[in-house]
Amino acid sequence: NAGVTQTPKFQVLKTGQSMTLQCAQDMNHNSMYWYRQDPGMGLRLIYYSASEGTTDKGEVPNGYNVSRLNKREFSLRLESAAPSQTSVYFCASGGQGASSYEQYFGPGTRLTVT
Amino acid sequence: KQEVTQIPAALSVPEGENLVLNCSFTDSAIYNLQWFRQDPGKGLTSLLLIQSSQREQTSGRLNASLDKSSGRSTLYIAASQPGDSATYLCANLYSGAGSYQLTFGKGTKLSVIP
Repeated sequence: NAGVTQTPKFQVLKTGQSMTLQCAQDMNHNSMYWYRQDPGMGLRLIYYSASEGTTDKGEVPNGYNVSRLNKREFSLRLESAAPSQTSVYFCASGGQGASSYEQYFGPGTRLTVT
Repeated sequence: KQEVTQIPAALSVPEGENLVLNCSFTDSAIYNLQWFRQDPGKGLTSLLLIQSSQREQTSGRLNASLDKSSGRSTLYIAASQPGDSATYLCANLYSGAGSYQLTFGKGTKLSVIP
């Protein structure tokens, strides 16, 4: 079991460039999430997908788009990168059920926008 | 909007000491509370999850408690070791606007001195 995997691990972009961050999980979880982590701000939810075929905005969705490709994969796209999007991006997946919703995190993608 | 606060932001203790990390939240209508560990440059590792109907959970030297009425959770670490040095994050899952949201505190950075 690899758990939650993310690619790439590191990325440097110039302002205005686009890229897609990939995430996959092998735990058969229904829910998947994208967070960003910034110094002094903690982790903030960008987008999430409660099940295959659905996506919803989180706290900071501006400048991002997502695709739930299938149950395993959830990608995050930056259409026109800005320096304010320099951050560490974490993907997570979660079990579903009224008593759980425990989330498991990937290793992160460190993105720098110059 | 749910807010999660962790105090202190940083803590330094000698090896072998017992310690308590604090987490408070503003909205008691939570589904669960999850404690994570984050090592520098790494992802988040789930330590303990307390469901809203539970008062505490234990794993090895770790014990987490939950008091919904006062909006507080604590993580107790017994007989601390240098390997416990990391940032500890608490997060709670609550329902808002028809969806489930995980809200994080900013973490407590723990240093255990040999």
